[in-house]
Amino acid sequence: AQKITQTQPGMFVQEKEAVTLDCTYDTSDQSYGLFWYKQPSSGEMIFLIYQGSYDEQNATEGRYSLNFQKARKSANLVISASQLGDSAMYFCAIPEDCSNDYKLSFGAGTTVTVRA
Amino acid sequence: GAGVSQSPSNKVTEKGKDVELRCDPISGHTALYWYRQSLGQGLEFLIYFQGNSAPDKSGLPSDRFSAERTGGSVSTLTIQRTQQEDSAVYLCASSFGGRVAGELFFGEGSRLTVL
Repeated sequence: AQKITQTQPGMFVQEKEAVTLDCTYDTSDQSYGLFWYKQPSSGEMIFLIYQGSYDEQNATEGRYSLNFQKARKSANLVISASQLGDSAMYFCAIPEDCSNDYKLSFGAGTTVTVRA
Repeated sequence: GAGVSQSPSNKVTEKGKDVELRCDPISGHTALYWYRQSLGQGLEFLIYFQGNSAPDKSGLPSDRFSAERTGGSVSTLTIQRTQQEDSAVYLCASSFGGRVAGELFFGEGSRLTVL
């Protein structure tokens, strides 16, 4: 199984500032994808952004962007112009392996608190 | 509703009792997943259904856990003879399916507390 590491258990960020959430992974697959999900206090996991290892350019979705560094096996999430509604837990995830790509392995998550 | 619906949202039970958790996926989604989230942890894969194919049950932690999906839609996760370590949030998700990991749409989860 893949191993996902999120080293920051909690982070505080000032409203309107950017925050970077770290994610490193361990995989032997050559082709894989990486996901980021947000989990607000309601408990529902919300898909944010995805990038495939074969994509040349880093993915962006609105205020979310991925800083994907394949050689370092790192895929950090950058949230720009933080809003109070961004306060939540954030999880990165990767398929367990290419033959079971419907099975996602999730990191332990990072709690983000946005301060006014 | 338009999203994944789970019930009950909260369940408190006594050790040794059986519980059933229900998931109603988004209409038209062929793939359905159950994950478990223990307090302060990431998600742990439990089981995957895709269309009429045999489910992948490899994540079920013990034979006390079972799940079925009737008519390719609603799924029920059953935990028999519950133990305190079963306390967690059980999250259901659905997707358009296929073997390529696409966006999963999650429900709000069923929080199980075993006393």
